[in-house]
Amino acid sequence: EDQVTQSPEALRLQEGESSSLNCSYTVSGLRGLFWYRQDPGKGPEFLFTLYSAGEEKEKERLKATLTKKESFLHITAPKPEDSATYLCAVQAMGGYNKLIFGAGTRLAVHP
Amino acid sequence: GAVVSQHPSWVICKSGTSVKIECRSLDFQATTMFWYRQFPKQSLMLMATSNEGSKATYEQGVEKDKFLINHASLTLSTLTVTSAHPEDSSFYICSASKLEGAYEQYFGPGTRLTVT
Repeated sequence: EDQVTQSPEALRLQEGESSSLNCSYTVSGLRGLFWYRQDPGKGPEFLFTLYSAGEEKEKERLKATLTKKESFLHITAPKPEDSATYLCAVQAMGGYNKLIFGAGTRLAVHP
Repeated sequence: GAVVSQHPSWVICKSGTSVKIECRSLDFQATTMFWYRQFPKQSLMLMATSNEGSKATYEQGVEKDKFLINHASLTLSTLTVTSAHPEDSSFYICSASKLEGAYEQYFGPGTRLTVT
C-alpha cells in the first residue's frame, strides 16, 4: 500500500536556526513527490516537485531533496513568516494524478 | 500562474439543506479537478476526482449520492453537499491539474462549511 510518513509532527525553531523536515514514502513506482505549504484556514500552496532520486530544488530559504525512500525539506535561517504546516505528497505511476498526503509537519519559527 | 478560486469561502447552513461549492481555475484549463476535505489538525483526505465531461470517481467510503460533483467545463467544477448534517461540517478544498501529463495540483483557498 502506498504510504507517506512525515516527521517530526511539530517543530519549533528560533529565527535563524536551520533544520530539516523528513518525508518517508512507500509507493509502487514513484511518478513524483510534492511539497506544499499550508497556512491555517487556507489551501495548500505548491512548493516543489521532485521526480527522481538525487534531484534537488531550491526556493529562497527552502531546499528539497529526494532519495529512493525519502525526501528532505531543508530550511536555512528560517524567519517567523516560514511558520506553517509543510505537507509532503507522492503520486504513483499509473491511474489518474492522485496525491497521497502525509500528515504534515507543523513548523513554528520564533523571533 | 496557476490560480484556483473557490466560492464561497465559508457557508453556514441548516441541517437537511443542500450546499453548492464552486471551484474555478482562473488562468488555465483543468482537465482534472480534485475535491478534498480536511478536519482540524489533520491532513487532506481525497474525496473524488473529476474529469471534464465525465462522471466523477469517488474514493472508497465517500457517498456519491451525498457529495455530488459536476465538472461541466475545463475551468469549473462544483461540489454539492446534499441533505447536509452536522457531521458534514468541515473544510473542503479543491485542486486542479493543468493538463494531462502535468502532475502538480494547484489548490483553491478552501471552503469552511458549518452545518447547524
